[in-house]
Amino acid sequence: NAGVTQTPKFQVLKTGQSMTLQCAQDMNHNSMYWYRQDPGMGLRLIYYSASEGTTDKGEVPNGYNVSRLNKREFSLRLESAAPSQTSVYFCASSTWTGFNEQFFGPGTRLTVL
Amino acid sequence: QKEVEQDPGPLSVPEGAIVSLNCTYSNSAFQYFMWYRQYSRKGPELLMYTYSSGNKEDGRFTAQVDKSSKYISLFIRDSQPSDSATYLCAMSPSNNAGNMLTFGGGTRLMVKP
Repeated sequence: NAGVTQTPKFQVLKTGQSMTLQCAQDMNHNSMYWYRQDPGMGLRLIYYSASEGTTDKGEVPNGYNVSRLNKREFSLRLESAAPSQTSVYFCASSTWTGFNEQFFGPGTRLTVL
Repeated sequence: QKEVEQDPGPLSVPEGAIVSLNCTYSNSAFQYFMWYRQYSRKGPELLMYTYSSGNKEDGRFTAQVDKSSKYISLFIRDSQPSDSATYLCAMSPSNNAGNMLTFGGGTRLMVKP
């Protein structure tokens, strides 16, 4: 099992460009999440999908959109990138087995110039 | 003021030392408390979780929760260089599918041989 995979690993954008971050999990998990991590800020939830077909805003959703394409895949789109979106983005997935443990991907490092 | 506060460190200790990592929080609704370990340029991985107050031990790791003081701790006994990482506390009011976690900013730990 690959677990949670994310593409790309690195990306540099210019202000105003758009891009989609891809995430896939092979653990048959129901819930998926997108976080951003900035120095000293910990991880902050952008959007999550509790189950296939549903998405909800997290703590910092402005400037982002998401699509739960199917049970395996959850993408994050930046329509018009801004320097404030320079961050490391993590995707996670979970399923309830007594405890809702979230498994994280390796991250995407995004720089917006 | 952030909901979850964590000293960013870095905390530098000699191999074999006992390490104490701490978080304070302000939201009395938090019931589930987690510690994640994050190696450099990797995604976080769950170390331990506890529900409500009390202690939980797993090998060299002990998690403590004091809800009356809104204070949680992670103790690492006989620390090893392989424990060098950033440790993130996380909390949630529930254990439901799609539950939102609130993270601390992380403490960077360095264990010197």
